[in-house]
Order: sequence, then structure tokens, then C-alpha cells
Amino acid sequence: EADIYQTPRYLVIGTGKKITLECSQTMGHDKMYWYQQDPGMELHLIHYSYGVNSTEKGDLSSESTVSRIRTEHFPLTLESARPSHTSQYLCASRWDRDGYTFGSGTRLTVV
Amino acid sequence: AQSVTQPDIHITVSEGASLELRCNYSYGATPYLFWYVQSPGQGLQLLLKYFSGDTLVQGIKGFEAEFKRSQSSFNLRKPSVHWSDAAEYFCAVGGAAGFQKLVFGTGTRLLVSP
Repeated sequence: EADIYQTPRYLVIGTGKKITLECSQTMGHDKMYWYQQDPGMELHLIHYSYGVNSTEKGDLSSESTVSRIRTEHFPLTLESARPSHTSQYLCASRWDRDGYTFGSGTRLTVV
Repeated sequence: AQSVTQPDIHITVSEGASLELRCNYSYGATPYLFWYVQSPGQGLQLLLKYFSGDTLVQGIKGFEAEFKRSQSSFNLRKPSVHWSDAAEYFCAVGGAAGFQKLVFGTGTRLLVSP
């Protein structure tokens, strides 16, 4: 049962377009995360948030930006998509001592 | 700095055979440890977690893992593998405080042969 939702599941878009990947959770978790997962399957943290109006860059540099205006919503935006942004993007949330709960991911292809 | 090593990139196991996936971690304090599974095109699903207490933890889908502090290991096991277990498995380590980010290993791809 998914309590964290990502839309769209798949997106094919042209170079230079602006895109927003949506992530919403219904669990009231303060902490949320965005990971980029390459074809080699390794997870790279690109953004995280510890609450409303709190956002930080992760370990992997990314041209994307995030916002956290509401607890349940943590969208990721690319102002100008490029083929190098082609990847799978995973959103997750966490409640203190628990592990992460992941969404199903958005597979982005930039052509 | 905390880190996780999954030394096996790929493992192939015959259906019905036992499975052990290795995970070694580096962490300066008492670690919180997790195993996740990812099917193709999906997000990660939590299999099991260790916080404290009994070092042998049971998870979903018949998986278990044993925490060995002396070896800094948290290996995942299953006595009899099913074809549906074929997936990518990730080990992760984190701290007690919620603000501490989880660190993931690079994953082990499990292939199940008939």
C-alpha cells in the first residue's frame, strides 16, 4: 500500500522543456528526499528536506530545484531539461527511527 | 563517515536454494540497518530493519538478516529462493536521529535460475 505518490510514472520530453516531478505523501512525515538512480542502479541523493521551508542539496550535484511549501508535497523541477537528465527519480519520506518509504519513481527520458 | 559495501554486484541462485547477500557497513555509533528490494521499474520496498535488541531480525517475504557488530555486517538470508525474488537488493545504514540521512550500498542483483 503506497502512502507516497509520484507522478508521472513515465515522462518523455524534449530538450529545453521545463518539467516538474510531483511527490506527495499522506503519512505526515517531516523528512523527504529525492534520489536519482542511474541505469547502473546506484542511488544518488540530490535533494532533501527536514520540514516546511527547509530544503538542502544532496551528495550529488543536480541542476534541479525543489520546494517544500506543504508538509505532504515535495516537487522537483528542472527548468530546462537535457538528455543528461534522463534517469529514474525516486522520492522518499522518513519518520525519525523508521527507514525510508519510497514512491514508485518517475522514469524521465529527455530527447 | 558512514558507508555501506555490498561486495557482490550479481548473484545467481537456483530456485529452491538458499540465499545470502552480504552487507558491510561503517558507522561511528550504533547503526540503524535496513534492507530494501527493488523490482524492475519500481521504487524500493523495505524488507526489514534493525534498531536494537535481537540481532536476528525477520522481515517480509521470508527474509531474515543478522546483525554482527564484531564484523560490521548485516547479511540478508532466505532459506529457499523463489523465482519472484529476482530483483535488486539494497542495504542501507543510518543513525538514530531522524535528521541523519540513510546511506545506501550499490546494490546486488539477484538472478534466479530454474
